[in-house]
Formats: sequence, C-alpha cells, structure tokens
Amino acid sequence: AQKVTQAQTEISVVEKEDVTLDCVYETRDTTYYLFWYKQPPSGELVFLIRRNSFDEQNEISGRYSWNFQKSTSSFNFTITASQVVDSAVYFCALTTGTASKLTFGTGTRLQVTL
Amino acid sequence: GAVVSQHPSRVICKSGTSVKIECRSLDFQATTMFWYRQFPKQSLMLMATSNEGSKATYEQGVEKDKFLINHASLTLSTLTVTSAHPEDSSFYICSGTGSGDVRGTQYFGPGTRLLVL
Repeated sequence: AQKVTQAQTEISVVEKEDVTLDCVYETRDTTYYLFWYKQPPSGELVFLIRRNSFDEQNEISGRYSWNFQKSTSSFNFTITASQVVDSAVYFCALTTGTASKLTFGTGTRLQVTL
Repeated sequence: GAVVSQHPSRVICKSGTSVKIECRSLDFQATTMFWYRQFPKQSLMLMATSNEGSKATYEQGVEKDKFLINHASLTLSTLTVTSAHPEDSSFYICSGTGSGDVRGTQYFGPGTRLLVL
C-alpha cells in the first residue's frame, strides 16, 4: 500500500519569508514517482515537479526548490522569499507506475500575507 | 506544460436531472484520463480511470451506473452524473496523461463545480 503524509495542515507566513512544506511517503516499490501540485483558490491543479526514485538530485526552479531524501522517504518543497501569489493548497503525490493512479497527501494550505 | 480543459466550469441543476462534464486534452493525446471528486478543504478522491476505447475502471464505492464515463477519443472524456441528487454536489476534476513528454505525469483540468438543488 502507498501513503503520502503532509503533516502540516495550514501554514501562515508573511511575505518574503521562506517556507518549507513537508512530504513523507511510503511505498514498497523501488520504482516510483513523486509529484508536487499547486491548487490556487481557482481550483485548478498546477503541476510543479516530478521526480523519479532513481534521481535524488535536488532541484531548484526560481524561488522553488525540492529536497528528495530516500533515506527519510521525504520530498520537501521550499519556497524562498514567499509572495502573496504563492497562497494556495499544495499537494504532494506518489505513483508507482507511469500511467497508474496517484496517491495524494491531504494537502498543505499556505497563506502568505503582506 | 500540457493543457486540459473542462466544460462547464460551473453547473447548477435540479435534483433528478443528468449532467455531463467534458474533459479535453488540448495539446496532447491523453491515452489515460482520470476523474476525481473533491470536497471542500479535502484532498482529491479518485473516482475512475479510463483508457481510450476501453471501459472505465471505477474505484471501490463509486457507482458506475451513476457516474458514467466515456473516453471515446484520445482528446475527450466525459463524465455524466445521472439522476443527480444534492449529495452529488461537489468539485469534479479530470486529468490526463499520455505518451512522450507527458508520459507519467497527470495534467489537470480547471474543474467543474456541480450544485444540485
């Protein structure tokens, strides 16, 4: 069975603060893919990143960075210098096949205020 | 990234009527499409998975006769909520994945808010 845990239900930060969203996963498969999606108030899920289990390199994209550590089964997401537009619900997800269903975490609601 | 559209974005209907939601992949061929349901402040709940030209595979607890899914082409899937009741009111989201660059990643539509009176 697969499981994704996002222990932080809600986080509130002031603009320009850095914030890290935690994601811990469980799977028995050695090949798997991890994802982060952003869901702004409009409702549409926006794909942010996909990482496969064989690639532990951390990734940076602008103000976003991801830290993948297989030793702790974690795939954490950091937003540097947060902005109000970053306010959204962020979902971490896992799949063990290229076309199979995603297992979602419960999401972390991020509120960035001025 | 790949683009998925949904229509309508919002629908209000009377109890007992049927509602059809369309999901289209605009710039890729979606060999597999997924339908989700999301309640307020909750995560997404997968309802069914459909492959083009095949019958949909429904998740446990999802009534296939109530939620009819058709995936007739590589760019279009439809979800029909038959004889809708107020408890069917929810946010319905589709996603698609395909081959090539979009293989293995689900790209989501903007969602459809259904309100059954």
